[in-house]
Amino acid sequence: GENVEQHPSTLSVQEGDSAVIKCTYSDSASNYFPWYKQELGKRPQLIIDIRSNVGEKKDQRIAVTLNKTAKHFSLHITETQPEDSAVYFCAASGAGGGADGLTFGKGTHLIIQP
Amino acid sequence: EPEVTQTPSHQVTQMGQEVILRCVPISNHLYFYWYRQILGQKVEFLVSFYNNEISEKSEIFDDQFSVERPDGSNFTLKIRSTKLEDSAMYFCASSQMNSNQPQHFGDGTRLSIL
Repeated sequence: GENVEQHPSTLSVQEGDSAVIKCTYSDSASNYFPWYKQELGKRPQLIIDIRSNVGEKKDQRIAVTLNKTAKHFSLHITETQPEDSAVYFCAASGAGGGADGLTFGKGTHLIIQP
Repeated sequence: EPEVTQTPSHQVTQMGQEVILRCVPISNHLYFYWYRQILGQKVEFLVSFYNNEISEKSEIFDDQFSVERPDGSNFTLKIRSTKLEDSAMYFCASSQMNSNQPQHFGDGTRLSIL
């Protein structure tokens, strides 16, 4: 089955700086890669996603890049703000077709230092 | 914005008892999912459901677990003979189409087994 590795486990950046979180996946048939933000005690919230026919996608301060050949994808947050502090999870799916479940990474605890 | 709703928010149950967790997916969504998150760990896929039958299940989803769509709106997860290690946050999610579409999560049910 699919395996998703995520790094780093904790990332501390100064407010206003950029943050980058990286994930790799094992199943080359996976074709959908969402990113979720989870605040303490809350639901995972989808913040951006990318499909395998696209190399990059941007939404305001958030961007995701995908390298299918290397089987890795990254989340980039620019001009970080205190409200960006949360745990971020990458995920992959689509290898089996149909109603595939998401395979999540272990999460990155992003800390924005004021 | 439509949301996935889950009840109860917190369930405390004695070990060995049966528990039913309830979810109301977003109304025009066709694919439903259950995930589990043990405290401080990643989100893990349990099962997906489409067209009134299980589409995919993980190794975690053994004979102790079952899912049902008893009517046109509810989607339930039943855990028979609960064990201490079943203590976790259980999230329901739904998507409009197949696994390559965004999955929207509910607020979760915190299950505590005593």
